Amino acid sequence: AQSVTQLGSHVSVSEGALVLLRCNYSSSVPPYLFWYVQYPNQGLQLLLKYTTGATLVKGINGFEAEFKKSETSFHLTKPSAHMSDAAEYFCAVSDRGNTPLVFGKGTRLSVIA
Amino acid sequence: NAGVTQTPKFQVLKTGQSMTLQCAQDMNHNSMYWYRQDPGMGLRLIYYSASEGTTDKGEVPNGYNVSRLNKREFSLRLESAAPSQTSVYFCASFQSVTGYEQYFGPGTRLTVT
Repeated sequence: AQSVTQLGSHVSVSEGALVLLRCNYSSSVPPYLFWYVQYPNQGLQLLLKYTTGATLVKGINGFEAEFKKSETSFHLTKPSAHMSDAAEYFCAVSDRGNTPLVFGKGTRLSVIA
Repeated sequence: NAGVTQTPKFQVLKTGQSMTLQCAQDMNHNSMYWYRQDPGMGLRLIYYSASEGTTDKGEVPNGYNVSRLNKREFSLRLESAAPSQTSVYFCASFQSVTGYEQYFGPGTRLTVT
């Protein structure tokens, strides 16, 4: 069975500082990996995804993530935080078929001016 | 192109009342999902429908029923609401040919008193 662990339920960074949100997964098959963002009182929006090919993937709003098979990780980064990045972020995994996503518990990102 | 729509946006029920949450997608996706989101728990799958005419239980199906009315619509029914079902409910849809990510609706905030 697949699972996702997001380290840190709450991360706080200063505006302009590096954002690093951690995600580790377990999967018995090569996974598809996703990061979603949820702004207050809204649905989930896809930030980026890894399916095949290049292991460093770039997403919207300057975010990127790197798939590291040896570490079973898919950490999300952004070089310089902006106030508008304050939101909840979810990492998710699926196997390579038509099966539902398995989500981590989420990390709430706060950005301090 | 509205994507995934959900009605209602907000609902308050008394314990024991019933209601149906509606979800529709206009992207011609085969698969549809119902999740609930609770603080600190991430998104948990209630039921899903891999294709029209099929439904399957997810992680937390107890107390819920679903109907895949047609390819566009997937409804979630609470027969006898309980306070433990107070949550935010999200519907999502998926089609592998469009990239393996799920598309989410805006959510229904349900309170059971």
